[in-house]
Amino acid sequence: GAGVSQTPSNKVTEKGKYVELRCDPISGHTALYWYRQSLGQGPEFLIYFQGTGAADDSGLPNDRFFAVRPEGSVSTLKIQRTERGDSAVYLCASSSNTLNTEAFFGQGTRLTVV
Amino acid sequence: GDSVTQMEGPVTLSEEAFLTINCTYTATGYPSLFWYVQYPGEGLQLLLKATKADDKGSNKGFEATYRKETTSFHLEKGSVQVSDSAVYFCALSDRYGGSQGNLIFGKGTKLSVKP
Repeated sequence: GAGVSQTPSNKVTEKGKYVELRCDPISGHTALYWYRQSLGQGPEFLIYFQGTGAADDSGLPNDRFFAVRPEGSVSTLKIQRTERGDSAVYLCASSSNTLNTEAFFGQGTRLTVV
Repeated sequence: GDSVTQMEGPVTLSEEAFLTINCTYTATGYPSLFWYVQYPGEGLQLLLKATKADDKGSNKGFEATYRKETTSFHLEKGSVQVSDSAVYFCALSDRYGGSQGNLIFGKGTKLSVKP
């Protein structure tokens, strides 16, 4: 596609529920990143994929968070047993390779846990 | 660990005023430095970048110079326009072993430009 696409744009869920957030990167981009942006803060790195594998998942806050990219294109961020503190905008970005290339961001999914 | 500190907002300026948004960083290696901009209702966009000391990044009239001696990357524009109203984020990435998508961001500075 023309840009990074994230769906849904908004998601409201009840505390304790499971959610999946989807990211469609720019076609051909091998690197994919997930970030979380809380209100009034800058984005915080969660996880980075190179192809199908998670090259760096050091930003995932705990084991309730998991992400996959089974075919090296679309990625899904999965959050189990959601908590109110998980409410944030979840951003996805992609780039064509690992070094010296710009990362392009999607518009994000706003997750609200009530 | 690495970190980025940028000036708190919001910043309100009149059209054609001079803009400076301060950004300093802490890093153990030799990071690349970035300014990203988020216009209302849009995603983050790269505004400019610099990959080594003394490099100057520039775009759309904005400039920032990578100052290793002061660990700074201040954003400047000589004459702002209403269309520059947005949130500006300073960011860094570790060049060694990292990638330009693995970024550490500051908290952002909201700029409002009045006609």
